[in-house]
Amino acid sequence: QSVLTQPPSASGTPGQRVTISCSGSSSNIGSNTVNWYQQLPGTAPKLLIYSNNQRPSGVPDRFSGSKSGTSASLAISGLQSEDEADYYCAAWDDSLNGHVVFGGGTKLTVL
Amino acid sequence: EVQLVESGGGLIQPGGSLRLSCAASGFTVSSNYMSWVRQAPGKGLEWVSVIYSGGSTYYADSVKGRFTISRDNSKNTLYLQMNSLRAEDTAVYYCAREFHDILTGWYYFDYWGQGTLVTVSS
Repeated sequence: QSVLTQPPSASGTPGQRVTISCSGSSSNIGSNTVNWYQQLPGTAPKLLIYSNNQRPSGVPDRFSGSKSGTSASLAISGLQSEDEADYYCAAWDDSLNGHVVFGGGTKLTVL
Repeated sequence: EVQLVESGGGLIQPGGSLRLSCAASGFTVSSNYMSWVRQAPGKGLEWVSVIYSGGSTYYADSVKGRFTISRDNSKNTLYLQMNSLRAEDTAVYYCAREFHDILTGWYYFDYWGQGTLVTVSS
């Protein structure tokens, strides 16, 4: 059971806008910034969004992130077939033994 | 160019030991926070351990007392010594560099290796 809660799946058609939610608590999302990682099939995770809404160089502006209270969300606009991947949210946790906690991942299918 | 290359995975019997390596290039391991993150087959990501630039180490409860993270500054390499391995340790193990800025509160994994598979089975 992951500390952060994500829907297991999401889907959309090319060109659509989809959002993926991530729910946590006061010790993680409520106290720290949220990051999102994209994992294409058979590859390592890649940083997609950091500090709630910042995009690393090279990440298209179709990807955006937001955070409110103890929840966060990732939005993908103008959905493309190459966006089909697993998406993970993550945040540092201030609890005694916490370092970083992840969501369980959301598998995005482009129909 | 930053690169992380893991090695050392394989098939090991329950109770056995294995040491994973993560060779870094393009930056200095000892000047950064470095973590191991694992992913069981078909499952999500799980943080395993971190070593701070100052040398402090921390572990997930699931591996505490069994795994040891370390680094060799002369080889610019990160290690994970895994003892008393269990079936539930079966996973792809990734090493990852942490961007860690206390002033801004920005903490994230900016570079990941390709991973090495550890299979614990008899």
